[in-house]
Amino acid sequence: DIQMTQSPSSLSASVGDKVTITCRASQDISNALTWFQQKPGKAPKSLIYGASNLQSGVPSKFSGSGSGTDFTLTISSLQPEDFATYYCQQYKNYPLTFGGGTKVEIK
Amino acid sequence: EVQLVESGGGLVQPGGSLRLSCAASGFTFSDHYMDWVRQAPGKGLEWVARSRNRDNSYTTEYAASAKGRFTISRDESKNSLFLQMNSLETEDTAVYYCARVARSCSIDYWGQGALVSVSS
Repeated sequence: DIQMTQSPSSLSASVGDKVTITCRASQDISNALTWFQQKPGKAPKSLIYGASNLQSGVPSKFSGSGSGTDFTLTISSLQPEDFATYYCQQYKNYPLTFGGGTKVEIK
Repeated sequence: EVQLVESGGGLVQPGGSLRLSCAASGFTFSDHYMDWVRQAPGKGLEWVARSRNRDNSYTTEYAASAKGRFTISRDESKNSLFLQMNSLETEDTAVYYCARVARSCSIDYWGQGALVSVSS
């Protein structure tokens, strides 16, 4: 199975900060990576697919990059509605696997 | 508008069975792969099962934790996805989400989730 390792597991940031979250795959997954945002008690929301493509309706402050084994999600200017937990998922091979999540909290 | 609405969750004893349903609307159901993803209380997301689309003969894939106990299926006439769960264990306690898979092969839409509690 492909292991997905996210870092950090949590971070504290202020409104207006630039935030970067990293996801590392245990083997080459090309660009078969997606990022999700989840707020407490809510279903996840899809943000980015193909490592760098924004889902329809997702604001451009979110961006993704990377290929192979190393990927990043960047939020350019953190807003109150962005405080949430973020997950990466690889869809290159079965079983599909998620990272452990990164909780973004208010400083 | 794409909508996915799960139902069928509840409390079940260890060793019991439960069938989850997901009613899909707002898109051509037969064109899309569909997934079940679960989340145990306070934990992260875990992929459970996939049903491919009609062009791929509705073939299926399972996580190791689900293989042999869970069955994913569809009723195209009702635009519904199902997850039959047998031999349930306390570790299966989770919110179960139905999710649509886009042509890019990544999940693009999620349902609101159905809570399954396995306890004596």
